[in-house]
Amino acid sequence: QVILVQSGAEVKKPGASVKVSCQASGYPFTTYYIHWVRQAPGQGLEWMGVLYTDGGSVKYADNFEGRVTMTRDTSTSTAYMELRNLRSEDTAMYYCGREFHADYWFGPWGQGTLVSVSS
Amino acid sequence: QSALTQPPSASGSLGQSVTISCTGTSSDVGNYNYVSWYRQHPGKAPKVIIYEVNKRPSGVADRFSGSKSGNTASLTVSALQAEDEADYYCCSYASGNVYVFGTGTKVTVL
Repeated sequence: QVILVQSGAEVKKPGASVKVSCQASGYPFTTYYIHWVRQAPGQGLEWMGVLYTDGGSVKYADNFEGRVTMTRDTSTSTAYMELRNLRSEDTAMYYCGREFHADYWFGPWGQGTLVSVSS
Repeated sequence: QSALTQPPSASGSLGQSVTISCTGTSSDVGNYNYVSWYRQHPGKAPKVIIYEVNKRPSGVADRFSGSKSGNTASLTVSALQAEDEADYYCCSYASGNVYVFGTGTKVTVL
């Protein structure tokens, strides 16, 4: 069974950083890319970027360039998303989702990680 | 990259059909046949129901169908069931090797 399990909820202060993990199981980790998508409360989905798990390269959305870093640990089949200099507008549910090479769609997704930013 | 435009809401009666539009530009929807659709129930992660404009993943009912014309993609849900009441999002691959989601549509089953 293919599943992505994300780390637990986080509460951070403005200016801090958060690192969310996404551990994959049920398939060879490096055969699928990992995308990160966030959803602010009551809002829509926003694509943040993609981690190419085979080589470790990344592509970030312009809105997050310079503030986000996506990495992976192939020994534990885990992808990470770190967001720095947090502000209240970063309060959201963060999801990881996998994409088979050049399939251009995401699934399945992790269960989501709620990141709350408040002073 | 601006979000794709979807109507905020749509509704249909049980057993009827509803169609949701997703309007982009020539840099995304209009230039690539890589439009996917996701259904999201409250408090749950999204789930893909259509990919590459009109293909259904294994296990997705044939009540779901997709199409595209120019810069606008569409999702039709036929034979509406209570479980179809959810939020629906389109997503397109776009120039620059990025992805853009739609604004989302809340579907109500009457």
